Amino acid sequence: KQEVTQIPAALSVPEGENLVLNCSFTDSAIYNLQWFRQDPGKGLTSLLLIQSSQREQTSGRLNASLDKSSGRSTLYIAASQPGDSATYLCAVKQGGSEKLVFGKGMKLTVNP
Amino acid sequence: GAGVSQTPSNKVTEKGKYVELRCDPISGHTALYWYRQSLGQGPEFLIYFQGTGAADDSGLPNDRFFAVRPEGSVSTLKIQRTERGDSAVYLCASSLDRQETQYFGPGTRLLVL
Repeated sequence: KQEVTQIPAALSVPEGENLVLNCSFTDSAIYNLQWFRQDPGKGLTSLLLIQSSQREQTSGRLNASLDKSSGRSTLYIAASQPGDSATYLCAVKQGGSEKLVFGKGMKLTVNP
Repeated sequence: GAGVSQTPSNKVTEKGKYVELRCDPISGHTALYWYRQSLGQGPEFLIYFQGTGAADDSGLPNDRFFAVRPEGSVSTLKIQRTERGDSAVYLCASSLDRQETQYFGPGTRLLVL
């Protein structure tokens, strides 16, 4: 059974720092990995999707990498801003399955 | 264009009652998913539709839960004889096809008293 872990559960940083958010998964036979952002009381916003054949994806200040063999992904946030404060979740889609398996998320607070 | 919409945004009901939660996917998206998110947890998969058919319902917790998508667009998640443990946020997502990014709606917050 696929398990997705995000450590730490929460992080508080001053504005301007470059951040690395970690995600690990137990079964490397994934189809893709997706990073989401969730604001309080809101749904999920997709940030980046990495196919299993890819090593990284970039969008603006965000860069996500994938090391499938070691079961790890990182989300890099450059020059963090207070507006980046939210919960970040990673999710994997297993090969042969359509469901996403989520981690519990990491709550990020960027202080002005 | 419009995103995924869900109604109602909040639902309070009493134990034992029946509830229906509605999801309107992005127009043209053939794949539709339901997830349930409890406080402090990531979403957990319930059911996946490809077109009108439920291709994977392995996440439905028991037979009190049922979902339909009769015309391949709007979907309804139905919960019979609600229990307090059913209280959660129910999220719907859609994608252009099963290989693409899943786009989530704002969710329905269900509270069973």
